[in-house]
Amino acid sequence: AQSVSQHNHHVILSEAASLELGCNYSYGGTVNLFWYVQYPGQHLQLLLKYFSGDPLVKGIKGFEAEFIKSKFSFNLRKPSVQWSDTAEYFCAVNAVGGYQKVTFGTGTKLQVIP
Amino acid sequence: EAGVTQSPTHLIKTRGQQATLRCSPISGHTSVYWYQQALGLGLQFLLWYDEGEERNRGNFPPRFSGRQFPNYSSELNVNALELEDSALYLCASSFRTGNQPQHFGDGTRLSIL
Repeated sequence: AQSVSQHNHHVILSEAASLELGCNYSYGGTVNLFWYVQYPGQHLQLLLKYFSGDPLVKGIKGFEAEFIKSKFSFNLRKPSVQWSDTAEYFCAVNAVGGYQKVTFGTGTKLQVIP
Repeated sequence: EAGVTQSPTHLIKTRGQQATLRCSPISGHTSVYWYQQALGLGLQFLLWYDEGEERNRGNFPPRFSGRQFPNYSSELNVNALELEDSALYLCASSFRTGNQPQHFGDGTRLSIL
């Protein structure tokens, strides 16, 4: 069965600091990987996704993630965070051919201080 | 384009009662997914419906059930409610074919007193 680990539960950064949120998954086969974001009072939104091809994926709002297959990782990065990036971030994985079940990590709450 | 809509926004029940939550997918999406977001447990997959059939189920007891209607909308039913069922229930939808990301609704907050 697939599983996802997000190591940081709560991250506090000052504006303009760089961000890296860790995500590791466990599954032996081919996976699709996602990062979702939930801004305060809003629904979950897709930030970026990896299906195949270039392991460096660029998403909305300046976010990017790198898929490192050998490390089973899909870390989210942003060079310079803004106050408006304050949100909860969820890493998710689904096994290709795995009946569309998406497994989410427990989420990382990011607080950006002006 | 209208997003995924869920109703009601908030539902208050007591132990032992039954709850029905509703979801309308984005137009054109045939797959509907249900997730439970309980405090401290993150998002957990509950059910996946596609073309009116249950395709996959998470690790939840049988009192969690649902169905998908011909117009692809879906209901989640929770019977014999327990206090630990208090959570935000999220519905998502996607196209069935290929690798399609899921689009989420705002959720129904179910509170058990």
